[in-house]
Amino acid sequence: DAGVTQSPTHLIKTRGQHVTLRCSPISGHKSVSWYQQVLGQGPQFIFQYYEKEERGRGNFPDRFSARQFPNYSSELNVNALLLGDSALYLCASTLGLAAETQYFGPGTRLLVL
Amino acid sequence: GQNIDQPTEMTATEGAIVQINCTYQTSGFNGLFWYQQHAGEAPTFLSYNVLDGLEEKGRFSSFLSRSKGYSYLLLKELQMKDSASYLCAVRLYNNNDMRFGAGTRLTVKP
Repeated sequence: DAGVTQSPTHLIKTRGQHVTLRCSPISGHKSVSWYQQVLGQGPQFIFQYYEKEERGRGNFPDRFSARQFPNYSSELNVNALLLGDSALYLCASTLGLAAETQYFGPGTRLLVL
Repeated sequence: GQNIDQPTEMTATEGAIVQINCTYQTSGFNGLFWYQQHAGEAPTFLSYNVLDGLEEKGRFSSFLSRSKGYSYLLLKELQMKDSASYLCAVRLYNNNDMRFGAGTRLTVKP
């Protein structure tokens, strides 16, 4: 079975641009969460979506938005990119809203110049 | 505020036992997780505790004391491949938010 997949794997953008990151959860999983991980730090929670609805939001500015599609895949959008947005963006899927185990995808490494 | 603290770095010898501690101060506790993350890779799930006590999974065990806001991850019979960062994370009840510590970088030496 395929695990969590994310695209693209790497991305380079310039300040002010916007970016869309994509995630496909494990088949049968209905919940997707997004995290930002800066080098040397633990992941920081951005959003959780379950059954296409936002169920949790971390402390990130409105430049960050996300959505979940009927097939449970998800997109994370970041507008007006800043240098500080450079990070590894991780997507994690779980079977349900409060399932025990999150399965992380390989991440998208974003570099903002 | 929400604080999750764990040591930055630890070193241990192959075949030995190491204990990685995590203390937390959060509201609405709904479970504590341990993840392993090798450099350049995504975190992988190791263990989950929601009630006090010890959970054992092969060479890995995790302990939780909710009253003390304390957990530890115990790794036995250390192998070189155990060199990685170990992340402690607390799930908050009211927002499904997962709060991660900064991670403990474990180096296993021969």
